[in-house]
Amino acid sequence: GAVVSQHPSWVICKSGTSVKIECRSLDFQATTMFWYRQFPKQSLMLMATSNEGSKATYEQGVEKDKFLINHASLTLSTLTVTSAHPEDSSFYICSAEPLSGGIYNEQFFGPGTRLTVL
Amino acid sequence: KNEVEQSPQNLTAQEGEFITINCSYSVGISALHWLQQHPGGGIVSLFMLSSGKKKHGRLIATINIQEKHSSLHITASHPRDSAVYICAVRGGAGSYQLTFGKGTKLSVIP
Repeated sequence: GAVVSQHPSWVICKSGTSVKIECRSLDFQATTMFWYRQFPKQSLMLMATSNEGSKATYEQGVEKDKFLINHASLTLSTLTVTSAHPEDSSFYICSAEPLSGGIYNEQFFGPGTRLTVL
Repeated sequence: KNEVEQSPQNLTAQEGEFITINCSYSVGISALHWLQQHPGGGIVSLFMLSSGKKKHGRLIATINIQEKHSSLHITASHPRDSAVYICAVRGGAGSYQLTFGKGTKLSVIP
Protein backbone atom coordinates (compact mmCIF):
# COMPACT_ATOMS: atom_id res chain seq x y z
CA GLY A 1 0.00 0.00 0.00
CA ALA A 2 0.88 3.67 -0.15
CA VAL A 3 3.32 4.98 2.47
CA VAL A 4 2.97 8.07 4.60
CA SER A 5 5.84 9.18 6.82
CA GLN A 6 5.95 11.58 9.72
CA HIS A 7 8.90 13.37 11.23
CA PRO A 8 9.83 13.45 13.99
CA SER A 9 8.40 10.29 15.50
CA TRP A 10 8.67 11.81 18.95
CA VAL A 11 9.64 15.18 20.37
CA ILE A 12 10.07 16.65 23.82
CA CYS A 13 10.05 20.41 24.14
CA LYS A 14 9.84 23.12 26.74
CA SER A 15 6.65 25.04 27.35
CA GLY A 16 6.44 28.11 25.14
CA THR A 17 8.45 26.75 22.25
CA SER A 18 7.11 25.83 18.83
CA VAL A 19 7.28 22.42 17.26
CA LYS A 20 6.93 21.51 13.60
CA ILE A 21 5.72 18.08 12.48
CA GLU A 22 6.07 16.96 8.88
CA CYS A 23 3.79 14.58 7.02
CA ARG A 24 4.93 13.21 3.67
CA SER A 25 3.32 10.93 1.14
CA LEU A 26 6.28 8.96 -0.15
CA ASP A 27 4.99 7.24 -3.25
CA PHE A 28 1.86 9.11 -4.23
CA GLN A 29 0.51 12.61 -4.53
CA ALA A 30 -2.13 13.83 -2.13
CA THR A 31 -4.24 16.91 -2.60
CA THR A 32 -5.78 16.34 0.79
CA MET A 33 -4.10 15.52 4.07
CA PHE A 34 -5.68 15.25 7.49
CA TRP A 35 -4.29 15.97 10.92
CA TYR A 36 -5.58 14.07 13.94
CA ARG A 37 -4.86 14.17 17.63
CA GLN A 38 -5.19 11.20 19.92
CA PHE A 39 -5.17 11.33 23.70
CA PRO A 40 -4.39 8.18 25.71
CA LYS A 41 -7.06 5.50 25.47
CA GLN A 42 -9.18 7.67 23.21
CA SER A 43 -9.92 7.54 19.53
CA LEU A 44 -8.59 9.88 16.86
CA MET A 45 -10.03 13.36 16.72
CA LEU A 46 -9.82 15.27 13.47
CA MET A 47 -8.10 18.61 13.93
CA ALA A 48 -8.00 19.95 10.40
CA THR A 49 -8.19 19.12 6.74
CA SER A 50 -5.30 20.37 4.68
CA ASN A 51 -5.62 21.03 0.96
CA GLU A 52 -2.60 21.67 -1.22
CA GLY A 53 -2.25 25.31 -2.11
CA SER A 54 -5.11 26.56 0.03
CA LYS A 55 -5.91 27.30 3.65
CA ALA A 56 -6.64 24.44 5.97
CA THR A 57 -10.12 23.81 7.29
CA TYR A 58 -10.12 23.50 11.07
CA GLU A 59 -12.59 21.58 13.18
CA GLN A 60 -14.63 23.38 15.77
CA GLY A 61 -12.63 24.04 18.90
CA VAL A 62 -9.23 23.81 17.22
CA GLU A 63 -7.29 27.08 17.33
CA LYS A 64 -5.92 27.82 13.89
CA ASP A 65 -3.41 30.32 15.26
CA LYS A 66 -2.02 27.71 17.60
CA PHE A 67 -1.94 24.81 15.18
CA LEU A 68 -0.53 26.20 11.95
CA ILE A 69 -0.91 23.98 8.92
CA ASN A 70 0.91 24.39 5.66
CA HIS A 71 0.33 22.15 2.65
CA ALA A 72 2.88 23.54 0.23
CA SER A 73 3.15 20.61 -2.15
CA LEU A 74 1.29 17.48 -3.18
CA THR A 75 3.52 15.36 -0.96
CA LEU A 76 4.12 17.47 2.13
CA SER A 77 1.99 18.99 4.86
CA THR A 78 3.33 20.46 8.09
CA LEU A 79 1.70 21.07 11.44
CA THR A 80 3.33 23.63 13.72
CA VAL A 81 2.27 23.72 17.34
CA THR A 82 3.03 27.27 18.40
CA SER A 83 3.82 28.25 21.98
CA ALA A 84 3.28 24.70 23.12
CA HIS A 85 1.93 23.98 26.59
CA PRO A 86 1.75 20.75 28.56
CA GLU A 87 -1.91 20.29 27.59
CA ASP A 88 -0.79 20.06 23.95
CA SER A 89 1.07 16.86 24.78
CA SER A 90 -0.55 14.21 22.64
CA PHE A 91 -0.09 11.81 19.76
CA TYR A 92 -0.46 13.59 16.43
CA ILE A 93 -1.28 11.52 13.35
CA CYS A 94 -1.60 12.58 9.75
CA SER A 95 -3.26 10.80 6.88
CA ALA A 96 -3.20 11.40 3.16
CA GLU A 97 -5.65 10.68 0.40
CA PRO A 98 -4.20 9.84 -3.02
CA LEU A 99 -4.95 12.10 -5.92
CA SER A 100 -7.19 10.09 -8.18
CA GLY A 101 -10.40 10.31 -10.16
CA GLY A 102 -12.26 7.91 -7.89
CA ILE A 103 -14.93 8.92 -5.41
CA TYR A 104 -14.07 6.46 -2.68
CA ASN A 105 -10.43 7.04 -1.96
CA GLU A 106 -8.60 5.29 0.81
CA GLN A 107 -6.78 7.29 3.44
CA PHE A 108 -3.28 6.20 4.38
CA PHE A 109 -2.02 6.99 7.84
CA GLY A 110 1.37 8.10 9.06
CA PRO A 111 3.08 6.44 12.02
CA GLY A 112 2.32 9.37 14.30
CA THR A 113 4.36 11.87 16.32
CA ARG A 114 4.34 11.80 20.10
CA LEU A 115 4.69 15.30 21.49
CA THR A 116 5.57 15.86 25.13
CA VAL A 117 5.64 19.42 26.40
CA LEU A 118 7.44 19.92 29.70
CA LYS B 1 -23.34 13.41 12.88
CA ASN B 2 -22.66 9.72 12.54
CA GLU B 3 -22.39 7.69 15.69
CA VAL B 4 -20.02 4.75 15.44
CA GLU B 5 -20.24 2.01 18.03
CA GLN B 6 -17.82 -0.87 18.34
CA SER B 7 -18.13 -4.03 20.35
CA PRO B 8 -16.59 -5.44 22.32
CA GLN B 9 -14.39 -2.73 23.83
CA ASN B 10 -11.88 -5.29 25.02
CA LEU B 11 -11.33 -8.83 23.87
CA THR B 12 -8.94 -11.49 25.11
CA ALA B 13 -8.53 -14.64 23.05
CA GLN B 14 -6.40 -17.76 23.04
CA GLU B 15 -4.06 -18.21 20.12
CA GLY B 16 -5.84 -19.94 17.28
CA GLU B 17 -9.33 -18.70 18.13
CA PHE B 18 -11.66 -17.14 15.60
CA ILE B 19 -12.31 -13.50 16.48
CA THR B 20 -15.13 -11.16 15.53
CA ILE B 21 -15.24 -7.42 16.13
CA ASN B 22 -18.42 -5.53 15.35
CA CYS B 23 -19.13 -1.99 14.21
CA SER B 24 -22.49 -0.25 13.90
CA TYR B 25 -23.17 3.24 12.63
CA SER B 26 -26.23 5.45 12.63
CA VAL B 27 -26.24 7.32 9.32
CA GLY B 28 -25.73 6.18 5.74
CA ILE B 29 -22.13 6.15 4.58
CA SER B 30 -20.08 5.95 1.41
CA ALA B 31 -17.35 3.76 2.83
CA LEU B 32 -16.18 2.07 6.01
CA HIS B 33 -12.58 1.56 7.08
CA TRP B 34 -11.06 -0.99 9.42
CA LEU B 35 -7.79 0.21 10.93
CA GLN B 36 -5.22 -1.47 13.16
CA GLN B 37 -3.23 0.46 15.76
CA HIS B 38 -0.32 -1.24 17.49
CA PRO B 39 0.95 -0.23 20.94
CA GLY B 40 3.58 2.02 19.36
CA GLY B 41 0.76 4.08 17.92
CA GLY B 42 1.14 3.72 14.17
CA ILE B 43 -2.04 3.04 12.24
CA VAL B 44 -2.39 0.60 9.38
CA SER B 45 -5.36 0.62 7.08
CA LEU B 46 -6.67 -2.95 6.82
CA PHE B 47 -9.74 -2.56 4.63
CA MET B 48 -11.95 -0.02 2.98
CA LEU B 49 -15.44 -1.34 2.19
CA SER B 50 -18.51 0.07 0.56
CA SER B 51 -20.36 -3.21 0.13
CA GLY B 52 -20.02 -6.97 0.47
CA LYS B 53 -16.93 -8.66 1.77
CA LYS B 54 -13.17 -8.42 1.50
CA LYS B 55 -10.49 -10.88 2.52
CA HIS B 56 -6.78 -10.41 3.07
CA GLY B 57 -4.85 -13.30 4.52
CA ARG B 58 -6.45 -14.25 7.83
CA LEU B 59 -8.56 -11.12 7.94
CA ILE B 60 -12.09 -10.87 6.59
CA ALA B 61 -14.29 -7.78 6.63
CA THR B 62 -17.97 -7.68 5.82
CA ILE B 63 -20.49 -4.90 5.62
CA ASN B 64 -24.28 -4.85 5.53
CA ILE B 65 -25.36 -1.46 4.25
CA GLN B 66 -29.06 -1.99 5.01
CA GLU B 67 -28.35 -2.92 8.62
CA LYS B 68 -25.58 -0.30 8.98
CA HIS B 69 -23.24 -2.91 10.38
CA SER B 70 -19.78 -4.25 9.66
CA SER B 71 -17.71 -7.05 11.13
CA LEU B 72 -14.01 -7.76 11.15
CA HIS B 73 -13.03 -11.40 11.52
CA ILE B 74 -9.62 -12.81 12.31
CA THR B 75 -9.13 -16.50 11.68
CA ALA B 76 -6.46 -18.54 13.50
CA SER B 77 -5.55 -15.60 15.72
CA HIS B 78 -1.95 -15.06 16.72
CA PRO B 79 -0.30 -12.98 19.46
CA ARG B 80 0.99 -10.58 16.82
CA ASP B 81 -2.65 -9.72 16.06
CA SER B 82 -2.79 -8.03 19.47
CA ALA B 83 -3.64 -4.40 18.76
CA VAL B 84 -6.48 -1.92 18.83
CA TYR B 85 -8.88 -2.29 15.91
CA ILE B 86 -10.72 0.83 14.89
CA CYS B 87 -13.77 1.18 12.70
CA ALA B 88 -14.13 4.49 10.83
CA VAL B 89 -16.93 5.57 8.54
CA ARG B 90 -16.99 8.07 5.76
CA GLY B 91 -20.01 10.20 4.94
CA GLY B 92 -21.79 10.60 1.64
CA ALA B 93 -20.21 11.06 -1.77
CA GLY B 94 -17.69 13.88 -1.77
CA SER B 95 -17.20 13.73 1.99
CA TYR B 96 -13.61 13.34 3.09
CA GLN B 97 -14.01 13.14 6.79
CA LEU B 98 -13.89 9.95 8.82
CA THR B 99 -15.82 9.37 12.03
CA PHE B 100 -14.02 6.93 14.28
CA GLY B 101 -15.24 4.33 16.71
CA LYS B 102 -13.53 4.10 20.08
CA GLY B 103 -11.69 0.96 19.10
CA THR B 104 -11.55 -2.63 20.28
CA LYS B 105 -8.47 -3.71 22.18
CA LEU B 106 -7.57 -7.26 21.25
CA SER B 107 -5.12 -9.34 23.24
CA VAL B 108 -4.22 -12.78 21.90
CA ILE B 109 -2.59 -15.03 24.47
CA PRO B 110 -0.19 -17.79 23.41
